[in-house]
Amino acid sequence: QQPVQSPQAVILREGEDAVINCSSSKALYSVHWYRQKHGEAPVFLMILLKGGEQKGHDKISASFNEKKQQSSLYLTASQLSYSGTYFCGTETSSGDKLTFGTGTRLAVRP
Amino acid sequence: DGGITQSPKYLFRKEGQNVTLSCEQNLNHDAMYWYRQDPGQGLRLIYYSQIVNDFQKGDIAEGYSVSREKKESFPLTVTSAQKNPTAFYLCATSPGQGYIQYFGAGTRLSVL
Repeated sequence: QQPVQSPQAVILREGEDAVINCSSSKALYSVHWYRQKHGEAPVFLMILLKGGEQKGHDKISASFNEKKQQSSLYLTASQLSYSGTYFCGTETSSGDKLTFGTGTRLAVRP
Repeated sequence: DGGITQSPKYLFRKEGQNVTLSCEQNLNHDAMYWYRQDPGQGLRLIYYSQIVNDFQKGDIAEGYSVSREKKESFPLTVTSAQKNPTAFYLCATSPGQGYIQYFGAGTRLSVL
């Protein structure tokens, strides 16, 4: 079953922060985050595995709450280059293949 | 140069015609995937293969066919049975299920 992402879209000023959420109705084994620029292929950001860990690089980080079956992506001090559509993909503990959400469109304005 | 090569970048299909999208990888990954993306939508899985000579249907396999005769190659044929083929098609590879998926640059298919 497809994970649910929220919000569907967000507009930021450069330097502002944003949070994108991804939730599932099934027990999760992993959550993958990707960013896609218009007309291009999705680019991998990070993967979080069962265990409630938090990961991050630069000013983008993510958390995974296994009990709540959800993950959040945190974008801090946003830059123009952060604009794009963010997708989460989830794999369930029962071994289902990776399934992507419908995406969150993020626009960062100067 | 390591990576995933999809070709062509743009493809036009005439009504009733079958067309084949190419996906080649030199990452030595076992698993390969085909996704379809419609404007403003997420990625929907068409077919995937976890090993040579084996593949499984994804969520929207009707009107499509694949083969996996070599580890490096996973071509997708859009058949005439697919009545609404206009979309952006993405090929991905990974070392296996549960690992990162890496995407090719995509093929944009349109109907003439």
